[in-house]
Amino acid sequence: KQEVTQIPAALSVPEGENLVLNCSFTDSAIYNLQWFRQDPGKGLTSLLLIQSSQREQTSGRLNASLDKSSGRSTLYIAASQPGDSATYLCAVVWGGYQKVTFGTGTKLQVIP
Amino acid sequence: EPEVTQTPSHQVTQMGQEVILRCVPISNHLYFYWYRQILGQKVEFLVSFYNNEISEKSEIFDDQFSVERPDGSNFTLKIRSTKLEDSAMYFCASSESPKQYFGPGTRLTVT
Repeated sequence: KQEVTQIPAALSVPEGENLVLNCSFTDSAIYNLQWFRQDPGKGLTSLLLIQSSQREQTSGRLNASLDKSSGRSTLYIAASQPGDSATYLCAVVWGGYQKVTFGTGTKLQVIP
Repeated sequence: EPEVTQTPSHQVTQMGQEVILRCVPISNHLYFYWYRQILGQKVEFLVSFYNNEISEKSEIFDDQFSVERPDGSNFTLKIRSTKLEDSAMYFCASSESPKQYFGPGTRLTVT
């Protein structure tokens, strides 16, 4: 069964710290992997998408890496800010235009 | 940048009633999806739609659910007889490439 797992479920860090969020997936034959941000009671904001042929993507203070062979992706957030507090979701597509399979998310709190 | 829109943002209904959730996908997209997220749980796939027919559906998407593209712009999710456990946030998504673009969601509350 194709599954996506995110550990830890929650993370609390002081402002300014660099941090890494982890995502693992069971089937390495992915099509792409996407990181989302979700604020409480809100929708999904796409942060970064990595195609299966790519190793990483960067946007501002965010860097996402992909290691298909080990079934892992990481989201690196540099110089964290209180505004980064949200739940971060990892989502995988295993075939073209097929469904997105989401992880359970990591709830991040950045303490001022 | 074009966006997926959804209406209403919040729908309250009584158990047993029918509800229709509406989505306007990005105009040149051909693939459409519905997902749901029960409070505190993960986002779950419900159904995908292409070329005016369902291309894939999950076990959640039973006979109580149906989808339709009634015109060239809207994509709807109908729940025929709502149950308490249908209370969730429902997200619509569309794509022209494998990247899916998500709408802001409709919060459905069944009382």
